[in-house]
Amino acid sequence: ETGVTQSPTHLIKTRGQQVTLRCSSQSGHNTVSWYQQALGQGPQFIFQYYREEENGRGNFPPRFSGLQFPNYSSELNVNALELDDSALYLCASSQKSGTGELFFGEGSRLTVL
Amino acid sequence: GNSVTQMEGPVTLSEEAFLTINCTYTATGYPSLFWYVQYPGEGLQLLLKATKADDKGSNKGFEATYRKETTSFHLEKGSVQVSDSAVYFCALSDLGYGGSQGNLIFGKGTKLSVKP
Repeated sequence: ETGVTQSPTHLIKTRGQQVTLRCSSQSGHNTVSWYQQALGQGPQFIFQYYREEENGRGNFPPRFSGLQFPNYSSELNVNALELDDSALYLCASSQKSGTGELFFGEGSRLTVL
Repeated sequence: GNSVTQMEGPVTLSEEAFLTINCTYTATGYPSLFWYVQYPGEGLQLLLKATKADDKGSNKGFEATYRKETTSFHLEKGSVQVSDSAVYFCALSDLGYGGSQGNLIFGKGTKLSVKP
């Protein structure tokens, strides 16, 4: 069974740039969720994708957007990067009909300078 | 709205000490409850879960019981090891998206350090 994989693991951007983070979901999972984890904080829900459509969104501005592909992999795009976007971005996959358990990747550490 | 409150750390214990990390929640309906663990430099791993009132989740010597009357899900371990040093997150499933599964709402995390 292949777990959730994310890329890149680390990246550095400057304010105003755009970034794309990628995630491959665990085999058999049809739902992908993205979380932002600032240093010393718990993960905050960004959005969830199911059947290639956004299926719920947290309190994040529209410059945070995403995609889910037919193979259930996903991308998180952030435009017009701000310093406060520096965080660990976690992707999690799950089954839509499950109990709510999420399976997380190791994350992409984004630093905005 | 739904929320999770867990005791602030850091918590420092000696090996073989008893561990309790308190977690309380506010939720409508009947969410599932989870404890996740994050080891240094890694993503989150599910430690245990409980899906209904009075359920006890357990794994690797850790236990937590879903207490609806006190809206709590405290994490306990009878004898901690150095390898248990990590950040522990309490979470609940937000079922507010019209389906059987929504997103997870996490507490802020409690850092545990176990000294030899």
